[in-house]
Amino acid sequence: DSGVTQTPKHLITATGQRVTLRCSPRSGDLSVYWYQQSLDQGLQFLIQYYNGEERAKGNILERFSAQQFPDLHSELNLSSLELGDSALYFCASSPPGGQGPGSGNTIYFGEGSWLTVV
Amino acid sequence: DAKTTQPPSMDCAEGRAANLPCNHSTISGNEYVYWYRQIHSQGPQYIIHGLKNNETNEMASLIITEDRKSSTLILPHATLRDTAVYYCIGSPYNQGGKLIFGQGTELSVKP
Repeated sequence: DSGVTQTPKHLITATGQRVTLRCSPRSGDLSVYWYQQSLDQGLQFLIQYYNGEERAKGNILERFSAQQFPDLHSELNLSSLELGDSALYFCASSPPGGQGPGSGNTIYFGEGSWLTVV
Repeated sequence: DAKTTQPPSMDCAEGRAANLPCNHSTISGNEYVYWYRQIHSQGPQYIIHGLKNNETNEMASLIITEDRKSSTLILPHATLRDTAVYYCIGSPYNQGGKLIFGQGTELSVKP
């Protein structure tokens, strides 16, 4: 158990709908990361937040947005869903004292949220 | 970002050491090398990381060459539960610390 909690574990929804994925980081961690893993793309970095502020952005679609709240939990909002958005979405966190692995800190991943768009 | 190159797949006999190579010839001097593994759609699991010295923990050993252009992850006594995709990742120093995953090595531990 990494200490990173993600909900829901599984989600099935229809095209055009909007969903919210939730992540609780490890106790004391300030950075939260979101990754997407689909069959044909591997693990793709989406976005990082540090103590409530956006820190780094990857190939995140405009239909997707995220935020980190004052209690440090994070939500990933996916809207206007398409079949191709079906994927595993991972949240990860890392401790303060740096900016994640670039400073030698370790990122710990949750078990993911399976999203199926039908 | 350092580009890493790993063999797509490897086999290892149960109980033997698994040696997983990684080339990262473009790695910069302040860029750590991280190893993660992913067991069948579970969350990626941190294994070990290092900068320039060899490292060992309860899971594995990491051997980094002196020129830092390659490294080897060693699982000393592989078990069936070590069957997974192993990722060698170079981490950018000042780019938010994000991990950029490649395709990894699919390690199959066989009885």
